[in-house]
Amino acid sequence: AQSVSQHNHHVILSEAASLELGCNYSYGGTVNLFWYVQYPGQHLQLLLKYFSGDPLVKGIKGFEAEFIKSKFSFNLRKPSVQWSDTAEYFCAVNGNTGGFKTIFGAGTRLFVKA
Amino acid sequence: NAGVTQTPKFRILKIGQSMTLQCTQDMNHNYMYWYRQDPGMGLKLIYYSVGAGITDKGEVPNGYNVSRSTTEDFPLRLELAAPSQTSVYFCASSPAAPGELFFGEGSRLTVL
Repeated sequence: AQSVSQHNHHVILSEAASLELGCNYSYGGTVNLFWYVQYPGQHLQLLLKYFSGDPLVKGIKGFEAEFIKSKFSFNLRKPSVQWSDTAEYFCAVNGNTGGFKTIFGAGTRLFVKA
Repeated sequence: NAGVTQTPKFRILKIGQSMTLQCTQDMNHNYMYWYRQDPGMGLKLIYYSVGAGITDKGEVPNGYNVSRSTTEDFPLRLELAAPSQTSVYFCASSPAAPGELFFGEGSRLTVL
């Protein structure tokens, strides 16, 4: 069955610390990978996506993610977090064998201390 | 730009009542989805639609029904509400499948 696993449910960092959020997926076939962010009181919005090409993708607000096919991973990184990055982050996957369904991980709540 | 619009934003229901969550998008997307979000569980797909007149079940369809009579609208109906349906519901649309999802602001439903 298709699934997405996010390793950390809660992360607390100080401003300027580096961030890495883990994401592993189980999916047969070609995949498209996403990170969505949900700021407090807001709806989900796209942070970045990978469809094909360069496995290192850059998104908004200085975030990037690396697709490592051999590890079935798509980890999210940011070199220096800000207080405004406090949010919940969701990894998601869809692809050509899943029909039209996007599967989400359980989410990681990030709290950045000022 | 309206994007995906959901109504109502908040609702309290009594056990056994029924209601419809409305979802409208103005981006002419063929693909539409209903998710529920529960703490620590991420988003679970309830139903989805690939175009007007076509719907299919997702991961957690029990207790819900949908219809898709137009490209723009994708209402979610709850019949005989139960406390287990207390959740935040998100409607989303996509221009392609598989592809990026565009979300509405969510509807918080409490069943007492």
